[in-house]
Amino acid sequence: TQLLEQSPQFLSIQEGENLTVYCNSSSVFSSLQWYRQEPGEGPVLLVTVVTGGEVKKLKRLTFQFGDARKDSSLHITAAQTGDTGLYLCAGDRENQGGKLIFGQGTELSVKP
Amino acid sequence: DAGITQSPRYKITETGRQVTLMCHQTWSHSYMFWYRQDLGHGLRLIYYSAAADITDKGEVPDGYVVSRSKTENFPLTLESATRSQTSVYFCASSRSSGGGNEQFFGPGTRLTVL
Repeated sequence: TQLLEQSPQFLSIQEGENLTVYCNSSSVFSSLQWYRQEPGEGPVLLVTVVTGGEVKKLKRLTFQFGDARKDSSLHITAAQTGDTGLYLCAGDRENQGGKLIFGQGTELSVKP
Repeated sequence: DAGITQSPRYKITETGRQVTLMCHQTWSHSYMFWYRQDLGHGLRLIYYSAAADITDKGEVPDGYVVSRSKTENFPLTLESATRSQTSVYFCASSRSSGGGNEQFFGPGTRLTVL
């Protein structure tokens, strides 16, 4: 069983549409990170959220950490073709030496 | 240029052979990690290291060996490769642990075991 469940695993939308990706767990995390990965490359950090209820915005991307620090969401407004990629959430649990637990990833395809 | 590099980028080997994947970082980060990425599983931690000569197992360590004699290098060895070890392997580093410290990833090594 996956400690961090991401949904949906695949998403294909038209340019201009909005979308939300979810990352859920029954465990509490000290912080949660979102990474984006393009084909043939390693993941790159988009944002880190550390406080329950925290909301962070990065241009058209909005990230939220659940109040209980067990879940997170990524919302993209007016998606563009350049948003295409694999989005990964990763959680950091207390007393785990900085080890990250990754979700399965959401493969996003934005069509023109 | 500064950064984290992996070699080789692509490797094809046969069952039973020993394979070593190299990872090198120029930031003097204390922490280094090895992950494998398989469809439907995201990234799974194989081994990590908090400093030179300090290593520990991750989620899926069986069949792998690591060493870290120098801060900047963290090689991963498959002692006797199996087909189930066909995967994309990523090395990462971070300045410290906890508190949502960013991990910086290398470009990956695509390994195929025939």
